[in-house]
Amino acid sequence: KQEVTQIPAALSVPEGENLVLNCSFTDSAIYNLQWFRQDPGKGLTSLLLIQSSQREQTSGRLNASLDKSSGRSTLYIAASQPGDSATYLCAVKPDRETSYDKVIFGPGTSLSVIP
Amino acid sequence: DGGITQSPKYLFRKEGQNVTLSCEQNLNHDAMYWYRQDPGQGLRLIYYSQIVNDFQKGDIAEGYSVSREKKESFPLTVTSAQKNPTAFYLCASRGRLGGGELFFGEGSRLTVL
Repeated sequence: KQEVTQIPAALSVPEGENLVLNCSFTDSAIYNLQWFRQDPGKGLTSLLLIQSSQREQTSGRLNASLDKSSGRSTLYIAASQPGDSATYLCAVKPDRETSYDKVIFGPGTSLSVIP
Repeated sequence: DGGITQSPKYLFRKEGQNVTLSCEQNLNHDAMYWYRQDPGQGLRLIYYSQIVNDFQKGDIAEGYSVSREKKESFPLTVTSAQKNPTAFYLCASRGRLGGGELFFGEGSRLTVL
């Protein structure tokens, strides 16, 4: 059974710092991995999508990496800003042909960037 | 702009009442999903639909019902049988193209009084 964990659960950093958020999954047979951002009381905003054949994806100050063999993905945020404060979730789509199209979500990391 | 629209954003319900949450997408996506989010529990799948007129139960379907009569619409009814309906409900969709990227609406918060 696929399980997704995110460590740490919460993180507080000063503005300008580079930071890394971690996502671990137990089954390496994945189709893709997606990183989301969620602001309080809002829906999830897609940040980056990494296919199983890819090692990393970049968008602006964000870089996500994927290491399927070790069951890990990291989200790197460069030069953090107070506007980056939010909860970050990763989600894994299994690479299996089943009738159950289930995406497994991690519990999220709550990030606070202090001005 | 293309996206997913959920309504209402906030909804209050008395015990014993059914309520329907709306989800409309103009992304031309085939698959649509309903998730429930509770503090400390993450997202849990309620129902999903991969094509019009077909839908499947997720992990916590009891007390909920859905329909998929149109590609653009996937309404969720929270019935009186749902024992603890107060939660944040999120609708999502995915297309066949774009590598399977999942997109979400802004959510609906249901409170049972």
